[in-house]
This record gives sequence, structure tokens and C-alpha cells, in this order.
Amino acid sequence: AIQMTQSPSSLSASVGDRVTITCRASQGIRNDLGWYQQKPGKAPKLLIYAASNLQSGVPSRFSGSGSGTDFTLTISSLQPEDFATYYCLHDYNYPLTFGGGTKVEIK
Amino acid sequence: EVQLLESGGGLVQPGGSLRLSCAASGFTFSSYYMSWVRQAPGKGLEWVSGISGSGGTTYYADSVKGRFTISRDNFKNTLYLQMNTLRAEDTADYYCAKWVIDMGFDYWGQGTLVTVSS
Repeated sequence: AIQMTQSPSSLSASVGDRVTITCRASQGIRNDLGWYQQKPGKAPKLLIYAASNLQSGVPSRFSGSGSGTDFTLTISSLQPEDFATYYCLHDYNYPLTFGGGTKVEIK
Repeated sequence: EVQLLESGGGLVQPGGSLRLSCAASGFTFSSYYMSWVRQAPGKGLEWVSGISGSGGTTYYADSVKGRFTISRDNFKNTLYLQMNTLRAEDTADYYCAKWVIDMGFDYWGQGTLVTVSS
């Protein structure tokens, strides 16, 4: 199974900060990667698909990049509603695997 | 409006069985792959199992292979997860999710909690 290593596991940031989260696959996965946001007690929400495509309704401050083994989620200007946990997920083959998550907390 | 509503969670003893259901509405159920994703208390997300739109192809995580069975009834617009030989480490919130090819999980249910404990 492909392993997804996400970093950092947590970070503290202020409103307005630029935030970058990375995900590394244990083998090449083309651009078969998505990013999800989860808030406490809620189901995850799709933000980015196919590494760099913004899901409908998601604010443009979210962006994704990368291909092969290294991927990045960037929040250009952190907003109060963005404090949450973020997960990458590869869909290159089965079994699908999530990264370990990055908790974004208020500084 | 797309809705996914899980049910069937609860407390079960180790070695026991449970069947989860996910009632879908608001889309053509038979046209989409579906999956179960779980989250242990305070932990990250784990994909558990997936099934094709027809039900003819199924996939499982190694952690549940041979113990869990995913199925669907396209007439009832319902997804199922039969869980046997349950272990303490299966304790989690279980979400059903709709999969769009080349996109991802675009809709999720609210989750149902399974607790495996004596």
C-alpha cells in the first residue's frame, strides 16, 4: 500500500498568515491526490482534487500543487474559519490512504 | 440535495458483529462508487472499503480484509458494511462517502459511532 507522509502534524498561525502543508507519497502517484478539511465533530470536506483543482464553492485562498511524490496545500491568507485539521488522500490505486493530518491552530 | 444518512452503529463486544447502513438520496446512486471511511476517537481518517456503482467490484483496507463486507442495494439506494469479528481497534466513527472519479469524496454522511468493548 502507498504510504502518505504529511507534515507538519500541527502548526500555529495567525489570521492573515500564509500556511503551507506538505504530503509525500511513498511512490509516484501522478496527480491523484486530494486535500480535505475537517472541523471538530464534522465530516471532512473536499477542498482540492487532482492535486491542484479547486472544488466548487471553496475559497480561492486555498490552492494545491505538486505531482509524482510531493504535494502542497497552501492557504494564502488564513481566515478564522480555516482553523481545522487538513488531510491529503491519494486515489492512485486501492487501498486509498490518507495522510496523518495537519492540525492548524490559532497562535 | 445530496444526503447520506448512516445508521446501525452502537456498542458491541469483541468478536461480535454489526451491520452499518447508509441511505442515499439526491443523486443517481447506482452511478457512483461509494466508500466507508472511519476515524478512531482523536485519530486521523482511515479509508476502510469501497464498492463500484454496480456492486460488482469491491475493495478493502488490509486492516479489515476478511472481516468486513461492503455491499449495496441500488433499488433501495442504500450502502452497507457488514462487520464481523470486531476488535477494540475497530472502535471509530464510520462515515459513508460518495466518490466521483478523478475528483474524490464530494459528499459525506454525518457518521455513526461503533464502539467495541466488553
